[in-house]
Amino acid sequence: EIVLTQSPGTLSVSPGERATLSCRASQSVDRTFFAWYQQKPGQAPRLLIYEASIRATGIPERFSGSGSGTDFTLTITRLEPEDVAVYYCQQFGGSPLITFGGGTRVEIK
Amino acid sequence: EVQLVESGGGFVKPGRSLRLSCTTSGFTFGDFALSWFRQAPGKGPEWVGFIRSKTYGGTTEYAASMKGRFTISRDDSNSVAYLQMSSLKAEDTAVYYCGRPSDRIRWSPVHVEYWGQGALVTVSS
Repeated sequence: EIVLTQSPGTLSVSPGERATLSCRASQSVDRTFFAWYQQKPGQAPRLLIYEASIRATGIPERFSGSGSGTDFTLTITRLEPEDVAVYYCQQFGGSPLITFGGGTRVEIK
Repeated sequence: EVQLVESGGGFVKPGRSLRLSCTTSGFTFGDFALSWFRQAPGKGPEWVGFIRSKTYGGTTEYAASMKGRFTISRDDSNSVAYLQMSSLKAEDTAVYYCGRPSDRIRWSPVHVEYWGQGALVTVSS
């Protein structure tokens, strides 16, 4: 089973500052099959990044993804108040076929 | 506009069955794989399973913990997907979401670009 471990669990960042979120996989993941989501309270997840580094439609440029193999990163440059949310990484192709990380909660400092 | 709307959630006793529907619009339903996910209170999303388009056989895949109890089907003529859940347990309590992949990889749930708003299922005696 591919386990995705996200860190930190909670990240407090001042408005306008950078937020760096990490996702580590227990086995190598094809970056083509790696994505990031944002979820706000009471809402469904929202696709931010797919294929590890491609922004989904309508996602602001301040969101960027990088990484390969077992280590992936989501960066939010210049954090805005509306970015307060829980962020999940997700892989496809392992066992189980689709797994999510435990999430990183981003707060405003 | 692509839309997915789940329905059929509610309160059910342990051991009973429930069927969720995912009614879609705004795209050619038959061209896409369709996935189901769930999210227990305070937890992250969990994949339940998905159904391929008829072009790819219309077959299904499930998470191991759901296999045998949950069944996904589709009605392409009405653009609806279903999640039939049986022998429900308290730990099946969650918000259930259906999801559709992006246009570029419509045959596989590599990632989910469109989500429904979710349907709450509560299993309790």
